[in-house]
Amino acid sequence: DGGITQSPKYLFRKEGQNVTLSCEQNLNHDAMYWYRQDPGQGLRLIYYSQIVNDFQKGDIAEGYSVSREKKESFPLTVTSAQKNPTAFYLCASSRRRDSGTEAFFGQGTRLTVV
Amino acid sequence: AQKITQTQPGMFVQEKEAVTLDCTYDTSDPSYGLFWYKQPSSGEMIFLIYQGSYDQQNATEGRYSLNFQKARKSANLVISASQLGDSAMYFCAMREPYTGGTSYGKLTFGQGTILTVHP
Repeated sequence: DGGITQSPKYLFRKEGQNVTLSCEQNLNHDAMYWYRQDPGQGLRLIYYSQIVNDFQKGDIAEGYSVSREKKESFPLTVTSAQKNPTAFYLCASSRRRDSGTEAFFGQGTRLTVV
Repeated sequence: AQKITQTQPGMFVQEKEAVTLDCTYDTSDPSYGLFWYKQPSSGEMIFLIYQGSYDQQNATEGRYSLNFQKARKSANLVISASQLGDSAMYFCAMREPYTGGTSYGKLTFGQGTILTVHP
């Protein structure tokens, strides 16, 4: 079945450590997105990418980094520069050229700083 | 810069009644897409309905309809015959087109509205 897989589902990080969240899709989608969601809040865009080896900063990119070496994969690294990383992280993908195509989401990763 | 605004943090509705969730947007692009998603307490994102900026008719999908008023830049979601399972967070979203120039297909979400359906 086609879909988006995020791993791990739960992640614990010690202060000062970098952690990488995985996002893989087999939908042959060009566009991929990363969002952060705090409890009871909306989705805030971190980074997005429309083609391999290219990505754009979203609204809250500071303290995060991404790569897009393969069409299927868009990993997100939460660096030690992110002061408050505890949140729910969602990855999404969609077709690129058609603005009418809905984005499909993964199940999310809950990151907690301990 | 594009912006999505949902001004209702929470809404209550009686089972079997209709409810309208508000969404306004701002963009300078003439071409854009508007979406509504549902997020139950499990956290998954469920796509509900889509409206294109050039669509002449309001979109409908089963019990969901989108009241699109382009001049007012509003895209309200109407849920008819509410069910207990409709209790969730609802998000309005807008996607700009991808042109490879100055428009990169950014997908922006509003703050969300928590809908509670009472029996």
